[in-house]
Amino acid sequence: EADIYQTPRYLVIGTGKKITLECSQTMGHDKMYWYQQDPGMELHLIHYSYGVNSTEKGDLSSESTVSRIRTEHFPLTLESARPSHTSQYLCASSESMSRYNSPLHFGNGTRLTVT
Amino acid sequence: AQKITQTQPGMFVQEKEAVTLDCTYDTSDQSYGLFWYKQPSSGEMIFLIYQGSYDEQNATEGRYSLNFQKARKSANLVISASQLGDSAMYFCAMSRTGGGADGLTFGKGTHLIIQP
Repeated sequence: EADIYQTPRYLVIGTGKKITLECSQTMGHDKMYWYQQDPGMELHLIHYSYGVNSTEKGDLSSESTVSRIRTEHFPLTLESARPSHTSQYLCASSESMSRYNSPLHFGNGTRLTVT
Repeated sequence: AQKITQTQPGMFVQEKEAVTLDCTYDTSDQSYGLFWYKQPSSGEMIFLIYQGSYDEQNATEGRYSLNFQKARKSANLVISASQLGDSAMYFCAMSRTGGGADGLTFGKGTHLIIQP
């Protein structure tokens, strides 16, 4: 069973604040991802990492940044939150063995509301 | 680039009936994987089933089966004997191949509602 944790579960914050969404996994997976999802809509890849000190931008342009200093930890930071950042953010990880048959294991997500 | 198409935005089904959720995909690659996820209203993504492009048999996991028709590029999810707890969003996804990021590309989803 996947063990990947996201905190906070819900966050309501004012415009201009700096926020960090936490994501940790205990499975030792090298690959980690951040997806953004508006309610009832598809998931869009915004960041990914293949291991420590590896970070790349995904398909959807995002003002957020990520870091990967430890294998188990992949936080996402918004330096100055805006109402357009209101969305659900889902963190995921996967095994490194195969590109084709490794499912993504997701955390419970963080629902961010910027007022 | 890969593309996933789910043509059913919403479905209403009577409890205990079988459900088929449609998914077609577009890729020029020979090796790829197809996945289905369930997302309840609580928001988490639950992995249901996987089908590899070279698998000759359709995948099955309990009440879930994947009707894989490679020539038609179709990977429909079949849920047998639906239950009220099956009400959720269902996403079809495909492994990303070629250059760039791996991980999965997702369709727009189908909102399934099981009625008593």
